[in-house]
Amino acid sequence: AQSVSQHNHHVILSEAASLELGCNYSYGGTVNLFWYVQYPGQHLQLLLKYFSGDPLVKGIKGFEAEFIKSKFSFNLRKPSVQWSDTAEYFCAVNEGSGTYKYIFGTGTRLKVLA
Amino acid sequence: DARVTQTPRDKVTEMGQEVTMRCQPILGHNTVFWYRQTMKQGLELLAYFRNRAPLDDSGMPKDRFSAEMPDATLATLKIQPSEPRDSAVYFCASGSGSNTGELFFGEGSRLTVL
Repeated sequence: AQSVSQHNHHVILSEAASLELGCNYSYGGTVNLFWYVQYPGQHLQLLLKYFSGDPLVKGIKGFEAEFIKSKFSFNLRKPSVQWSDTAEYFCAVNEGSGTYKYIFGTGTRLKVLA
Repeated sequence: DARVTQTPRDKVTEMGQEVTMRCQPILGHNTVFWYRQTMKQGLELLAYFRNRAPLDDSGMPKDRFSAEMPDATLATLKIQPSEPRDSAVYFCASGSGSNTGELFFGEGSRLTVL
């Protein structure tokens, strides 16, 4: 069965620091990959997604993620975080074969100190 | 502004009581998902539907949970009888039916079982 691992449960950074959140999945076939963000008190929103093409994907608010197939990874990055990036970040995967089943990781809580 | 609507937003109940959560997916979306969010497990997929048909409910405790879609505009998640360990935030999400597409999440229903 598919699973998604997010290595860091809590991350605390100062403003302007660089961010990298890890995500690994366990499925050997074609996958579609997503990062969602949940700001305090809000619902989940899509940050970015990858399903084909350039493995370096750019999303909203300066976030990007790189798909490395050989490592089964889809890490999220941002060169310089802001206080407003404080949120919980979820990695998600579904199989590319059309099962429509989206599996989410356990989430990483990011706190950015002003 | 199309969005997924969930009710109730907050529910406090006593152990043993029946709880019903409702979700109105975005008009035109044909996939609907129920997730449970806890600190320990993150976002767990409970069940999902495509064109109102249940595709997978393996994430649900079958003895007490049930999920249905009486029509295209309503999805329900019922817990009977409820237990304290069911306390969590329950999210509904809908999608267009493409597995490369975005899921749109509701605001969530926070359930507390005493």
